[in-house]
Amino acid sequence: RKEVEQDPGPFNVPEGATVAFNCTYSNSASQSFFWYRQDCRKEPKLLMSVYSSGNEDGRFTAQLNRASQYISLLIRDSKLSDSATYLCVVIVGGYQKVTFGTGTKLQVIP
Amino acid sequence: SAVISQKPSRDICQRGTSLTIQCQVDSQVTMMFWYRQQPGQSLTLIATANQGSEATYESGFVIDKFPISRPNLTFSTLTVSNMSPEDSSIYLCSVRSGRNNEQFFGPGTRLTVL
Repeated sequence: RKEVEQDPGPFNVPEGATVAFNCTYSNSASQSFFWYRQDCRKEPKLLMSVYSSGNEDGRFTAQLNRASQYISLLIRDSKLSDSATYLCVVIVGGYQKVTFGTGTKLQVIP
Repeated sequence: SAVISQKPSRDICQRGTSLTIQCQVDSQVTMMFWYRQQPGQSLTLIATANQGSEATYESGFVIDKFPISRPNLTFSTLTVSNMSPEDSSIYLCSVRSGRNNEQFFGPGTRLTVL
């Protein structure tokens, strides 16, 4: 089983739709979680951290489910500019090993 | 957040040659990271560069192929040696900073080896 798994998509959604991605992780010692956004031919950029209590930033909500070992990203009222690949990042505490998921591609359609 | 710049932004190189990529950060950081991202794939860590000591390489990457320099706390270089077409990739420099140890990336160097 991969350390971090994401559905590669693509997720094709109309403008205004709500879309959700999940990311599962295999190491129960994972301590820190992030969502990154990567536009085509650009570097990944931090979208938001994922806290145990969840995290909301405008139209974006990230949640952590430790029992089932997954994190989620919910995007409400999708905009065309949300089209990108969303990378899940998991850090295992102690030796701070960082693992990136392969990304989920989102395409918002007019 | 940290601001990271990389040079060159892209290059096309001949098989057997070497390319050195430079990474500059706007603040002092203990560790700098070098990643590779091949087309359609996620990021793979090549090595961690610490100032004043040898870089730590991940499995599958060796110093002879990817020598790294870290002369001070704001600068690092990665050399891709004796290149082959399989080395065609985006090479990204990265640092961690912030309260939650968030990771920030440079704009990347897009390398094509013919």
